[in-house]
Amino acid sequence: GAGVSQSPSNKVTEKGKDVELRCDPISGHTALYWYRQSLGQGLEFLIYFQGNSAPDKSGLPSDRFSAERTGGSVSTLTIQRTQQEDSAVYLCASGPAGGRDDTQYFGPGTRLTVL
Amino acid sequence: AQKVTQAQTEISVVEKEDVTLDCVYETRDTTYYLFWYKQPPSGELVFLIRRNSFDEQNEISGRYSWNFQKSTSSFNFTITASQVVDSAVYFCALSEAMNRDDKIIFGKGTRLHILP
Repeated sequence: GAGVSQSPSNKVTEKGKDVELRCDPISGHTALYWYRQSLGQGLEFLIYFQGNSAPDKSGLPSDRFSAERTGGSVSTLTIQRTQQEDSAVYLCASGPAGGRDDTQYFGPGTRLTVL
Repeated sequence: AQKVTQAQTEISVVEKEDVTLDCVYETRDTTYYLFWYKQPPSGELVFLIRRNSFDEQNEISGRYSWNFQKSTSSFNFTITASQVVDSAVYFCALSEAMNRDDKIIFGKGTRLHILP
């Protein structure tokens, strides 16, 4: 189908390693969102891209987190020097036009486990 | 500051009963957006509805309906004639127009069990 895809679906890593999570939005969608869902914090918004730019990156939990989007399509979320508290499901969503009232279509998520 | 409260952590009803999920929000903005999402046991989030603060008309979509009451800052979600497939965690969310980063704040979610 033509939905949002994320890879890998599962990632187990050792504390201190870097990980890269990928999101392929629905073709033509200009808005892209990253969230994470963990037992302790519930659902959290991380960052939003309109095209290639992210107006504000202050939602990222720490400076170990970074995200980029190139070509207005694929986005990668990178976590450096992973910690156990980074364990969560990382969700990506895309939307056709951006803006807060836009419908969002979610991917299946990447489950990250930091040992 | 914006906040979303879903006071019901978990609800169980018997199939075919109606059930209402409560959502109360806090915002200082006059323009904002409210959302409901469903997360079935499979884990994949499903967008259900968005509502902007200027539209207080209630929405009905099949067995789903939403009651937006600005006076009580509530955006409740009702499922009529519930079915087992409605079993999921339901999240209410809020986004303020003044947020540059389009941040969406989620409630903690309500886990709904529909018993056969």
